[in-house]
Amino acid sequence: AQSVTQLGSHVSVSEGALVLLRCNYSSSVPPYLFWYVQYPNQGLQLLLKYTSAATLVKGINGFEAEFKKSETSFHLTKPSAHMSDAAEYFCAVSGEGGGFKTIFGAGTRLFVKA
Amino acid sequence: EPEVTQTPSHQVTQMGQEVILRCVPISNHLYFYWYRQILGQKVEFLVSFYNNEISEKSEIFDDQFSVERPDGSNFTLKIRSTKLEDSAMYFCASSDRGRYEQYFGPGTRLTVT
Repeated sequence: AQSVTQLGSHVSVSEGALVLLRCNYSSSVPPYLFWYVQYPNQGLQLLLKYTSAATLVKGINGFEAEFKKSETSFHLTKPSAHMSDAAEYFCAVSGEGGGFKTIFGAGTRLFVKA
Repeated sequence: EPEVTQTPSHQVTQMGQEVILRCVPISNHLYFYWYRQILGQKVEFLVSFYNNEISEKSEIFDDQFSVERPDGSNFTLKIRSTKLEDSAMYFCASSDRGRYEQYFGPGTRLTVT
């Protein structure tokens, strides 16, 4: 069965610093991988997705992620954090099973300090 | 840009009551899903629906839950007799044929008292 592990339930960075949110996955089939962002009391917004094309994926708001099959990782990065990036970030995987369900990680809350 | 919509945005109900959460998926999508997120926890898969039948469901989706596509546009989740632990945010999602990306609605916050 597919699963996602997000390392670090909370990450704190200073404004302008590098953001690195870690995600490792397991899957018995070639995975589709996603990062979603959730602002307080709001829904899920897709940041970016990997669907077996380029391994470096660029998303919205300056975020990008690199798919590394050998490490089963899909870490999310942003070169320079902005206060507006403070939110909960979820890594997710799908592709296994006929129902195409998406399996989410536990989430990482990003804090950005001024 | 097309989007998934959900109503109501917030529903308060008493324990034991039936609730129906409604979703309008993106019009050309064929796969529909419900997920839930208990406050402070991760998003959990409940059920997927395709071709007018359930294609997959989780262990959470017991006999108290049911889904229906009553017409060509709506997709509903019914909880027959709500429990306190059903309090959560419920997200509807849809995707088009052959793709794995799912588009999520804004969610319905269900509060069971």
